[in-house]
Amino acid sequence: AQTVTQSQPEMSVQEAETVTLSCTYDTSESDYYLFWYKQPPSRQMILVIRQEAYKQQNATENRFSVNFQKAAKSFSLKISDSQLGDAAMYFCAYRSFRAGSYQLTFGKGTKLSVIP
Amino acid sequence: EAQVTQNPRYLITVTGKKLTVTCSQNMNHEYMSWYRQDPGLGLRQIYYSMNVEVTDKGDVPEGYKVSRKEKRNFPLILESPSPNQTSLYFCASRRGATEAFFGQGTRLTVV
Repeated sequence: AQTVTQSQPEMSVQEAETVTLSCTYDTSESDYYLFWYKQPPSRQMILVIRQEAYKQQNATENRFSVNFQKAAKSFSLKISDSQLGDAAMYFCAYRSFRAGSYQLTFGKGTKLSVIP
Repeated sequence: EAQVTQNPRYLITVTGKKLTVTCSQNMNHEYMSWYRQDPGLGLRQIYYSMNVEVTDKGDVPEGYKVSRKEKRNFPLILESPSPNQTSLYFCASRRGATEAFFGQGTRLTVV
């Protein structure tokens, strides 16, 4: 079974600075998807970024980028120019590429605070 | 607007009183699933459905039931709720390899 580990329960960053959230995962599969979801106080789960394991290029969405290290099974999220609206819980998630795979496996989350 | 709609958003109930949390999506997605979120545990899958009349258990199915009679709806049923089912519940849907779309969440308290 796959597992996802977020080793930082809480982090903080100064507004306009850069912060990196860590995520590692364990799998025996070679093809899979990785996601970062953001959950603000409104509780809505918002997709931040997605990475397909077969793609070597790291995904980027505006101020959000990932450092995907497949061999190390690491998938960290970098937030540049942090804004107050980035304060939220962040969840890393894994989903198999295998046909018939229906489950997202989540990490336990990292609570990010942004200091004005 | 593409969305997943859950109702109610908040619910307080008593132990043993049957309840249903509804979930509806307007994106014609085949896959739908239910998760519960608890502090320090992240989100864990309760049940999922691959299509109409096809459902299966996730990681934490005990105490829950689901049905999928129509493609757009996937209700979560608690026949006899207990306090350990107090949680934040999310419904999600997707088509194929796309990312999952989540509902707004339902905060359930069982006293």
